[in-house]
Amino acid sequence: QKEVEQNSGPLSVPEGAIASLNCTYSDRGSQSFFWYRQYSGKSPELIMSIYSNGDKEDGRFTAQLNKASQYVSLLIRDSQPSDSATYLCAVNLGGSQGNLIFGKGTKLSVKP
Amino acid sequence: DGGITQSPKYLFRKEGQNVTLSCEQNLNHDAMYWYRQDPGQGLRLIYYSQIVNDFQKGDIAEGYSVSREKKESFPLTVTSAQKNPTAFYLCASSARVSGNSPLHFGNGTRLTVT
Repeated sequence: QKEVEQNSGPLSVPEGAIASLNCTYSDRGSQSFFWYRQYSGKSPELIMSIYSNGDKEDGRFTAQLNKASQYVSLLIRDSQPSDSATYLCAVNLGGSQGNLIFGKGTKLSVKP
Repeated sequence: DGGITQSPKYLFRKEGQNVTLSCEQNLNHDAMYWYRQDPGQGLRLIYYSQIVNDFQKGDIAEGYSVSREKKESFPLTVTSAQKNPTAFYLCASSARVSGNSPLHFGNGTRLTVT
């Protein structure tokens, strides 16, 4: 069974702090990794995609991938109350998009 | 503006009735998908289509049907055979069929069956 695991949270951080969200996956052959943000009652929106080991930065967001340890993380610097949402990790096992597996999401709460 | 349009936003049906959810995209994307989301659950793939007139079952296709007669449109029918149809339904598309292409989501349809 292919799995993507996330801590459901809630993860609570103060405004201005760094929020660290983690995701582990079971299939060593996984090739593509995505982070989506989902506000309550809304649809997911893409935050970051990462395909190779290391860090990828985009503004206040940094995605980190370690294929040997089978984890991918998302760091949010200078967290804002508007970052409060559920963050979904998605992992593609290779091939078609039919192999995209979503985690259940981590709920982040940023306190003013 | 390019995007994915799902309609209606809210849908209420009686048990035993079939219902069709609409999904249209003007992004010129090849691939389209239907996901279901239940509270506290990850997104689960119902069906996906990589090309017109072709589609594949996802993990939870039972009780659902789709068609892809046009590149822009990928409607989902929830049949009376679906045992627990109340959920949030998300349509998505991607530019390419490869797994490296991110998904773009519509705003979703919240279906309630009583």
